[in-house]
Amino acid sequence: SQELEQSPQSLIVQEGKNLTINCTSSKTLYGLYWYKQKYGEGLIFLMMLQKGGEEKSHEKITAKLDEKKQQSSLHITASQPSHAGIYLCGADISEKLTFGTGTRLTIIP
Amino acid sequence: NAGVMQNPRHLVRRRGQEARLRCSPMKGHSHVYWYRQLPEEGLKFMVYLQKENIIDESGMPKERFSAEFPKEGPSILRIQQVVRGDSAAYFCASSPNQAGEETQYFGPGTRLLVL
Repeated sequence: SQELEQSPQSLIVQEGKNLTINCTSSKTLYGLYWYKQKYGEGLIFLMMLQKGGEEKSHEKITAKLDEKKQQSSLHITASQPSHAGIYLCGADISEKLTFGTGTRLTIIP
Repeated sequence: NAGVMQNPRHLVRRRGQEARLRCSPMKGHSHVYWYRQLPEEGLKFMVYLQKENIIDESGMPKERFSAEFPKEGPSILRIQQVVRGDSAAYFCASSPNQAGEETQYFGPGTRLLVL
């Protein structure tokens, strides 16, 4: 079973709309990372969350880690074409680098 | 099909020495990516290589760091004259040479400690 579950698997959103991606773990996370990936490019580090209830923002992207530190959400406000790509959550679980299943985001004009 | 392999898993070097990190991609993969993870930080992209070519090295420090992916053999990340700030976990990932196939498969990492 997947240690980090992401939902939805894919998302098609009209430009300008808001969207949310979720990442859930069955274990307590001591560091949760969000990355963005585009074909032909490396992973781009977006944010890291460590504390329960922590919330961080970067430009129009906000990520939050719940109090139990088992679920994180990534929220994009007023989406733009540049937001398109695959979003991955990642964590160190049992000293192993683990990634979620990924969410493919498509932005339509 | 073995996954991405990295060796060594742990490497200790003294300041001024050279560190060589190896990455063998999955069978059939011709794209390799190197990342560095500093303590308490996320993965940071360093370099993207295809066989015998460096495609994107925008994340590589300008000095002391180099990477190669020869026609035969593993990809090598080389750090010359290491300093304490180079202590980190270095991960490589590989992906297939297929249009639209973005999935990167990660190795277990090499943890470099500079004394």
